[in-house]
Amino acid sequence: EADIYQTPRYLVIGTGKKITLECSQTMGHDKMYWYQQDPGMELHLIHYSYGVNSTEKGDLSSESTVSRIRTEHFPLTLESARPSHTSQYLCASRLGIAGNTIYFGEGSWLTVV
Amino acid sequence: QQQVKQSPQSLIVQKGGISIINCAYENTAFDYFPWYQQFPGKGPALLIAIRPDVSEKKEGRFTISFNKSAKQFSLHIMDSQPGDSATYFCAVPNTGTASKLTFGTGTRLQVTL
Repeated sequence: EADIYQTPRYLVIGTGKKITLECSQTMGHDKMYWYQQDPGMELHLIHYSYGVNSTEKGDLSSESTVSRIRTEHFPLTLESARPSHTSQYLCASRLGIAGNTIYFGEGSWLTVV
Repeated sequence: QQQVKQSPQSLIVQKGGISIINCAYENTAFDYFPWYQQFPGKGPALLIAIRPDVSEKKEGRFTISFNKSAKQFSLHIMDSQPGDSATYFCAVPNTGTASKLTFGTGTRLQVTL
């Protein structure tokens, strides 16, 4: 069982609002990831981090931003939410040693109205 | 960037039958190859993973068969149960220090009584 936590689990907000999705892991993993997934669809990597103070854009372009000030914390921020941002956002982490795979949180469902 | 093809898109199997899901990838990879199981409203959970130097791994009713030369691997679920009904994703490691995974498009499995 992976100890990776996401809040909020569900969020409905109005267009133009700023939101931050929180992600924390207690496993000491150095690598962390954000994936975006529409219901029943494939997962798309939007951000990742090698470690503290390192962040990179993923394979899918996203208007969101991330930060990694502490090893255990990797929040995702949308400065101005739009209906096109409606999706599930999945945080994940991994210990950076070959043979370890990625563990996911429960996800944050975002609906922008 | 890694390319992954997963099939079938959906699968209906009777209780007690064998479920088989296939994945093919393009670029050589050297890290573990995992399968994830996802129930509606939940994040993907690691199901089973195989090392690239092994041709088969079995854990309970779940088996991964790996053909390195053909760049293909498959998930076999023996004695399929209604509780196995979920979406299954294969994932292929990317080269590089970020330890990223590229996911397949998912297979929706339904096990009927």
